[in-house]
Amino acid sequence: EAGVTQSPTHLIKTRGQQATLRCSPISGHTSVYWYQQALGLGLQFLLWYDEGEERNRGNFPPRFSGRQFPNYSSELNVNALELEDSALYLCASSLPGPGSEQFFGPGTRLTVL
Amino acid sequence: AQTVTQSQPEMSVQEAETVTLSCTYDTSESNYYLFWYKQPPSRQMILVIRQEAYKQQNATENRFSVNFQKAAKSFSLKISDSQLGDTAMYFCAFMKGNQFYFGTGTSLTVIP
Repeated sequence: EAGVTQSPTHLIKTRGQQATLRCSPISGHTSVYWYQQALGLGLQFLLWYDEGEERNRGNFPPRFSGRQFPNYSSELNVNALELEDSALYLCASSLPGPGSEQFFGPGTRLTVL
Repeated sequence: AQTVTQSQPEMSVQEAETVTLSCTYDTSESNYYLFWYKQPPSRQMILVIRQEAYKQQNATENRFSVNFQKAAKSFSLKISDSQLGDTAMYFCAFMKGNQFYFGTGTSLTVIP
């Protein structure tokens, strides 16, 4: 069974540009989570989508947004990129229900120059 | 607000020895879940072990076990018979209501 996939693997942008990151969950998983992993800061929760709806978001500005498509894949958009947005962005998926294990993708390395 | 603290940024252990990684958390909730995730170098994050707060018994998965002290809000991970493949970043995580809070991680190196 295929795991969580993310694209692209690497993304290089300049300040002020927009970045779009994509995630495909494991088949049967309806929840998708986005995290930012910046050096030395662990994982910071960004967004949670379930059944096409945004269920929760972390403490990030509105220029971080996303959506979940009918096939449960998801997209993270980061507008007006800043240097500090450079990080590894991880996507995870899970089955519905409390305490469900999250399965992580390999991440997208975003570099903002 | 929930917080997760991992006070050991880096640790090392000799192959075949035992090591314990510490994690404390802060919450006013009574029902929640705790996890340890492993992130090997340049590889994907994978679940190591999971604990449900309402269960008294400490979770165990082969060489990995936890010491869950609910009153002290402590959730340490013990790795027995350490192997070279255990070299990785380890993250402690707290979950309530489908929102995760991660610690900053402990980088573990297993020395041959």
